[in-house]
Amino acid sequence: GAGVSQSPRYKVAKRGQDVALRCDPISGHVSLFWYQQALGQGPEFLTYFQNEAQLDKSGLPSDRFFAERPEGSVSTLKIQRTQQEDSAVYLCASSGPTGSNEKLFFGSGTQLSVL
Amino acid sequence: AQSVTQLGSHVSVSEGALVLLRCNYSSSVPPYLFWYVQYPNQGLQLLLKYTTGATLVKGINGFEAEFKKSETSFHLTKPSAHMSDAAEYFCAVSPRGGADGLTFGKGTHLIIQP
Repeated sequence: GAGVSQSPRYKVAKRGQDVALRCDPISGHVSLFWYQQALGQGPEFLTYFQNEAQLDKSGLPSDRFFAERPEGSVSTLKIQRTQQEDSAVYLCASSGPTGSNEKLFFGSGTQLSVL
Repeated sequence: AQSVTQLGSHVSVSEGALVLLRCNYSSSVPPYLFWYVQYPNQGLQLLLKYTTGATLVKGINGFEAEFKKSETSFHLTKPSAHMSDAAEYFCAVSPRGGADGLTFGKGTHLIIQP
């Protein structure tokens, strides 16, 4: 695709609901990253994939957060039993295609509001 | 461990004036430094990056930044502000040169006064 695509653009969830956020990276990009951006803050790293392998998940804030990229392209970030503190913009970025991570291409993000 | 401090959450300049956005970093290893810009309702875009070599780095849209190791700084400048420069700017540091391990600052909102 022309760029990194994220869906939905906006998501409103009631506290306790599960949500799934989708990321379509640029075709052929090897690396995929998820970031969380709270209001007024910079993006904070959540997790990183190289192809289908999740190489780093040290930024996931709790075991309610889970990410997958089963075929090495599309990725899903799942948040179980959402809490108000999960409200943020979730950004996806990809880089590659050779595995070089020097330049990230970001999607527009999914804005999650937990009521 | 690494961190980034951006001084000033909001900076306001007049159109045509000098833009200066400040960034200081701390890193236990020689850092790789980045500036990203985020326009409203758009994803972050890379403005410029410093990896090795020349300490004055030129980026897109007339922006440049200078790596000063002695001051642990990587300030972003543009000689003459344009209305289209209004956006959120993020400084970031990486220990390995790549995007894995990027740590972002909190951002500076640049306001351009007509």
